[in-house]
Amino acid sequence: DIQMTQSPSSLSASLGDRVTISCRASQGIRKDLGWFQQRPGKAPKRLIYAASTLQSGVPSRFSGSGSETEFTLTITSLQPEDFATYYCLQHNTYPYTFGQGTRLEIK
Amino acid sequence: EVQLVESGGGLVQPGGSLRLSCAASGFPFSSYWMSWVRQAPGKGLEWVANIKPDGSEKNYVDSVKGRFTISRDNARNSLFLQLNSLRGEDTALYYCANGGHIDYWGQGTLVTVSS
Repeated sequence: DIQMTQSPSSLSASLGDRVTISCRASQGIRKDLGWFQQRPGKAPKRLIYAASTLQSGVPSRFSGSGSETEFTLTITSLQPEDFATYYCLQHNTYPYTFGQGTRLEIK
Repeated sequence: EVQLVESGGGLVQPGGSLRLSCAASGFPFSSYWMSWVRQAPGKGLEWVANIKPDGSEKNYVDSVKGRFTISRDNARNSLFLQLNSLRGEDTALYYCANGGHIDYWGQGTLVTVSS
């Protein structure tokens, strides 16, 4: 199975900050990666697909980059609603696998 | 607007069975891959299974192969997951999602396996 390793596992930041979350795949997955946001008690929501394409309706302060084994989610100018847990998902090879999650907390 | 509404969860004893359902609307269901993803209490997300639009291809995570079966009824815009031989580690919130790459998610249905 392809292992997806996210870093950091948790992150404290302030409103208006810029943060970066990384996701590393154990083997190349081209750009077959999505990023998801999950707020407490809610279903996940997709933010980014194909590694760098913004989902319709998602604010432009979210961006994704990378390919093969190294991927990044960047959030600029953090807003209160951005404090949540973020997951990456590879859909290149079965079984699809998620990263373990990155919890973004308010400092 | 895409809507996915799961049902069928509940408390079941180890070794028991459940059938989860997902009612879909707001998109051409018969043209979409559909997926199930689960989340154990306080844990991360785990992809469980998906199914091709015409039902001819199904894929599963190893831990559920031979125990869970994904199916669909395109005439009723419905997705199903049959859970057999349930174990404690299957306790989770089960989400239905559309798209092979997990586009939109339902709100989930809780399965608790306990004696």
